[in-house]
Amino acid sequence: SQKIEQNSEALNIQEGKTATLTCNYTNYSPAYLQWYRQDPGRGPVFLLLIRENEKEKRKERLKVTFDTTLKQSLFHITASQPADSATYLCALRYNAGNMLTFGGGTRLMVKP
Amino acid sequence: GAVVSQHPSWVICKSGTSVKIECRSLDFQATTMFWYRQFPKQSLMLMATSNEGSKATYEQGVEKDKFLINHASLTLSTLTVTSAHPEDSSFYICSASSGINQPQHFGDGTRLSIL
Repeated sequence: SQKIEQNSEALNIQEGKTATLTCNYTNYSPAYLQWYRQDPGRGPVFLLLIRENEKEKRKERLKVTFDTTLKQSLFHITASQPADSATYLCALRYNAGNMLTFGGGTRLMVKP
Repeated sequence: GAVVSQHPSWVICKSGTSVKIECRSLDFQATTMFWYRQFPKQSLMLMATSNEGSKATYEQGVEKDKFLINHASLTLSTLTVTSAHPEDSSFYICSASSGINQPQHFGDGTRLSIL
């Protein structure tokens, strides 16, 4: 069965640095890969979607890459701020239906 | 845009009570809505998928008679936890999508505590 791996250990970085989060998957590549932010006690907030045939997507300080050969997506936050501290989830969607399969999330802590 | 409202945000009730959770898409029409359950420090687990006007599709291991889903309109889906017990205590989150190629947008979740 499909397995999605995100680093379960918290990522601690200094304000102003670039945070890089990893999402690895096994088996076949999804049609879409999405990244969400989740704050404690809140629902996930959609950030970026990248398609199977796209290598990179940007939105303001955020950048997502998608490498179907490595079966990996990287999520970057440049010029990180303490307000970026949250749990970041990657989610995969395949062609059959609109269902998302979520990774376990990585908690990011940006220290001032 | 793409706002999903979930209500109530938290509920505490006695064992045996049935609890209804509402999920509304406020500024778009949701052809599909999803219900998830999330345990502390774990990821979201899909419970069921519902399309407007048709029966929900439940994931393996989710009891459809326990978790009743109604998707009566393009902006509203409800999840009713029937005869809730302490093991049903969890964080329930809904999401909505306007189409098959569109991202899911999530509500803020409902914290359910059964005493």
